[in-house]
Amino acid sequence: NAGVTQTPKFRVLKTGQSMTLLCAQDMNHEYMYWYRQDPGMGLRLIHYSVGEGTTAKGEVPDGYNVSRLKKQNFLLGLESAAPSQTSVYFCASTKTTPYEQYFGPGTRLTVT
Amino acid sequence: GQQVMQIPQYQHVQEGEDFTTYCNSSTTLSNIQWYKQRPGGHPVFLIQLVKSGEVKKQKRLTFQFGEAKKNSSLHITATQTTDVGTYFCAGPGGKLIFGQGTELSVKP
Repeated sequence: NAGVTQTPKFRVLKTGQSMTLLCAQDMNHEYMYWYRQDPGMGLRLIHYSVGEGTTAKGEVPDGYNVSRLKKQNFLLGLESAAPSQTSVYFCASTKTTPYEQYFGPGTRLTVT
Repeated sequence: GQQVMQIPQYQHVQEGEDFTTYCNSSTTLSNIQWYKQRPGGHPVFLIQLVKSGEVKKQKRLTFQFGEAKKNSSLHITATQTTDVGTYFCAGPGGKLIFGQGTELSVKP
């Protein structure tokens, strides 16, 4: 089992560019999450999904969109990147709640 | 909305000293989870507490859940350099709210 994988690992964008971050899990988990991590801010939930075809907003959803077309994949999109979106992005999944979350290795995004 | 506050933000200890981080919620939690993130790594689940007053141990780590289920603590006895990292509490349920974390550094 690969667990939770994220693509890409690093990315540099210019302001206004768009990109999609891919998260994949092979554990047949129902729930998937996208977090961003900034120094001193902990992990903040962007969007999450409780099953294929469903998505919901977290704490900081503005500027991001998500899709869960397949159970194993959760995509995070930035339509028009801004420097404030420079961060480390983590994807996580869990079988159901309140079970433990499994995190991916992260994507380090820099927006210049 | 629900908030989970964690203190201290940083803790520097000499190897062999004890370490404690505290987590406080503005509301009653049905459960609380603890995670550890090594420098440059991703968060890894440590434990979940569910019952009021619950105490669980993992080797040198002791986790407590308050009687009112609004606070929790993680205590490490005799820290080692392998304990270095950031410790997060999170609660509860489907939409985990993470505390800001406590970054632990250990001087050999």
